[in-house]
Amino acid sequence: QVQLVQSGAEVKKPGASVKVSCKAFGYTFTGYYMHWVRQAPGQGLEWMGRINPNSGVTNYAQKFQGRVTMTRDTSISTAYMELSRLRSDDTAVYYCARDPSTPPPREILDPWGQGTLVTVSS
Amino acid sequence: DIQMTQSPSSLSASVGDRVTITCRASQNINSYLSWYQQKPGKAPKLLIYAASSLQSGVPSRFSGSGSGTDFTFTISSLQPEDFTTYYCQQSYSIPLTFGGGTKVEIK
Repeated sequence: QVQLVQSGAEVKKPGASVKVSCKAFGYTFTGYYMHWVRQAPGQGLEWMGRINPNSGVTNYAQKFQGRVTMTRDTSISTAYMELSRLRSDDTAVYYCARDPSTPPPREILDPWGQGTLVTVSS
Repeated sequence: DIQMTQSPSSLSASVGDRVTITCRASQNINSYLSWYQQKPGKAPKLLIYAASSLQSGVPSRFSGSGSGTDFTFTISSLQPEDFTTYYCQQSYSIPLTFGGGTKVEIK
């Protein structure tokens, strides 16, 4: 079945960068957009952006423009989200989530990865 | 960006109760509205898409309705496993945006 498996928890210092991976199983990786969503502790869900794994074209939320980079490695069916210049308020669980439709995307998120906790602390 | 206003932010109910959550968009989003369930420590799970379409495998006690700017999510008869948090999300345009969430608690 379709499954997304993310990399493990990270602890980073302010100003550093973090790169989270999301490996896809059970479907053709290049056929479906991948989104990234984050959730700060006790807070709601915040969309960060998406990538078309086939073309590599990305769309980022304005809030993260200049700090986020989404990439993919099609040879290993893995998507990546790198966030730079980390601040304490970047402490959150970061999720990848697949759009279940072949392009054009329907902007629906299903399924989701298990989440990766990124803690930013000095 | 499209703002999604979800209400209430929390509610208390009993097993067997009918529960309704509303979500309002800041502009017309037609039927491009999804609902997710999130249990503590877990990733969100898609329940409803296109405002009223039930995702495969989701129990029929969950339903959604609405179009334009006003949407409703209903659980017809609350089960013990339904006491958790629910989010709406507009899929009309990027950036995708979510409602603030509704926590359904046991009365």
